[in-house]
Amino acid sequence: NAGVTQTPKFQVLKTGQSMTLQCAQDMNHNSMYWYRQDPGMGLRLIYYSASEGTTDKGEVPNGYNVSRLNKREFSLRLESAAPSQTSVYFCASSETGQEGHTQYFGPGTRLTVL
Amino acid sequence: AQSVAQPEDQVNVAEGNPLTVKCTYSVSGNPYLFWYVQYPNRGLQFLLKYITGDNLVKGSYGFEAEFNKSQTSFHLKKPSALVSDSALYFCAVRDRASGTYKYIFGTGTRLKVLA
Repeated sequence: NAGVTQTPKFQVLKTGQSMTLQCAQDMNHNSMYWYRQDPGMGLRLIYYSASEGTTDKGEVPNGYNVSRLNKREFSLRLESAAPSQTSVYFCASSETGQEGHTQYFGPGTRLTVL
Repeated sequence: AQSVAQPEDQVNVAEGNPLTVKCTYSVSGNPYLFWYVQYPNRGLQFLLKYITGDNLVKGSYGFEAEFNKSQTSFHLKKPSALVSDSALYFCAVRDRASGTYKYIFGTGTRLKVLA
């Protein structure tokens, strides 16, 4: 059981380049999330998917798009990267049937935009 | 609007002493409350949660947290700190009445346990 996996672990982009962050979970969870973590700001929700086939904006969606490819996979795309998107990105999943919906996190992707 | 406050950026405690990491919240309804821990260069790991019932919740690694509805607080505690407890701790809240899956995280408190 790998839990939540993310690729890549590290990435350096130039301003204007695009990339997709991949996330997969093997816990058969319905809900998946993308967060960014910045110093002094905690975790902020970018997008989430309550179930396969649905996605919703979080607190900071501008500059990002997401795809819930299937129940296992939830990708985050930066179409035109900006230095303000330099951050650590975390994917998480949770089981909606579970009381309280505990989230389980991936190891993160450290992204630098030059 | 929902919010979570962790008033201390850093907490220092001597090994063997009790520790407290503070969290207060603001939600319109009844909350689900969580504590997560993050070790360097790792993702967040679940420690404990409050759903309903007993106000004292016990979690992993000897941690516990007390839900106080009147003070809207959910402070994390441990009777005897270990050096290995040094990490970044996050409080999070979800409003169960909202029907959304949005979690609000605090800004984190860095715990340093000194040998």
